[in-house]
Amino acid sequence: DVKVTQSSRYLVKRTGEKVFLECVQDMDHENMFWYRQDPGLGLRLIYFSYDVKMKEKGDIPEGYSVSREKKERFSLILESASTNQTSMYLCASSFLDSYNEQFFGPGTRLTVL
Amino acid sequence: GENVEQHPSTLSVQEGDSAVIKCTYSDSASNYFPWYKQELGKRPQLIIDIRSNVGEKKDQRIAVTLNKTAKHFSLHITETQPEDSAVYFCAAKGSGAGGTSYGKLTFGQGTILTVHP
Repeated sequence: DVKVTQSSRYLVKRTGEKVFLECVQDMDHENMFWYRQDPGLGLRLIYFSYDVKMKEKGDIPEGYSVSREKKERFSLILESASTNQTSMYLCASSFLDSYNEQFFGPGTRLTVL
Repeated sequence: GENVEQHPSTLSVQEGDSAVIKCTYSDSASNYFPWYKQELGKRPQLIIDIRSNVGEKKDQRIAVTLNKTAKHFSLHITETQPEDSAVYFCAAKGSGAGGTSYGKLTFGQGTILTVHP
């Protein structure tokens, strides 16, 4: 059974704080993704990684960075949180092959005050 | 890059009716089109997918059709049940060469489906 876990379900931070969101998968997937989900906007890709230490920008990378030091772990970093980054953040992973299912984590609801 | 538009944003049906959700995409090279279902408070899960070399695919009460010429694809749910109530997302994957495009999906805006008993 594929398991993708995220470090927190709910997080409240203040404007300007540095925020770390962590994702761990146990299926030896090459690909890992970070999305944000907002009502009416669907799932928007922030960053993805297809290998350790490799990262690619998604559609909305501004204000975010990522780190992948180990294959099973992919971190999303908000260098200086802002109120417009209040959102649901979803991590996903998949095998490298183009047609593979993405498995999602439970999500982190981040509120920036 | 790829752009995916999904309609309608909300859909309300009576139990037993059919439901259809439509998506259009912009990149004619896109070759993989999955659909994900997200129940309230839960994570999205893949329910069906179709590749560009196939026009239609069925799995029990759900089916997906693809029209490559018109660049649109649709999800059809027959004999809807209350447990079908969820948010449905379509997605498309381009066929760009190189590892950087592997597995990257562009999602539609989502459709909130409500099935009334």
